[in-house]
Amino acid sequence: DQQVKQNSPSLSVQEGRISILNCDYTNSMFDYFLWYKKYPAEGPTFLISISSIKDKNEDGRFTVFLNKSAKHLSLHIVPSQPGDSAVYFCAASPDSGGGADGLTFGKGTHLIIQP
Amino acid sequence: NAGVTQTPKFQVLKTGQSMTLQCAQDMNHEYMSWYRQDPGMGLRLIHYSVGAGITDQGEVPNGYNVSRSTTEDFPLRLLSAAPSQTSVYFCAVQGTQETQYFGPGTRLLVL
Repeated sequence: DQQVKQNSPSLSVQEGRISILNCDYTNSMFDYFLWYKKYPAEGPTFLISISSIKDKNEDGRFTVFLNKSAKHLSLHIVPSQPGDSAVYFCAASPDSGGGADGLTFGKGTHLIIQP
Repeated sequence: NAGVTQTPKFQVLKTGQSMTLQCAQDMNHEYMSWYRQDPGMGLRLIHYSVGAGITDQGEVPNGYNVSRSTTEDFPLRLLSAAPSQTSVYFCAVQGTQETQYFGPGTRLLVL
């Protein structure tokens, strides 16, 4: 049973437009959420995170929104740039106190930025 | 991926062979983990460690062994490789809160 779901395997967006990547989760115990970006043949790179006590976190072009009642989060990238083309993973953790139980990942969304 | 190194980058094994995937960090963080990534799948946790001398199982631990004798190193051992263990393996170090920093990965092919 997948606890973190990214239902869009791929997404194509024009350069300069907004990219919106979605993620749903089922485990109510999750209270910390992260987005990772991954280029081919490299390890995932941390992008942005959000705690369950917030509903929005912003870092430059990247904003993550959390809707706890819907168990849904989204990553907005504005404006989209060619270098944003990558696979984006949504991840969740039940412990925001520094626990090392690891993260639960979604399957990823391949974002393609069209020139 | 600065601060987390993995060796080798690529390895081919025959079924039944054993090997050790190396992971080292210079970030002086306590928490380290091993994940595997398979095509069309997210990363799945194999084993993790909260500090030297302490390890625990993750979601998919079968066929793998770990130990943590120092803060810097967290090797992953395949005791008897199987084709189902063909995957890309990532080591991670946990920084602040839940943020994990990943190494560049080891691609393993088991024939």
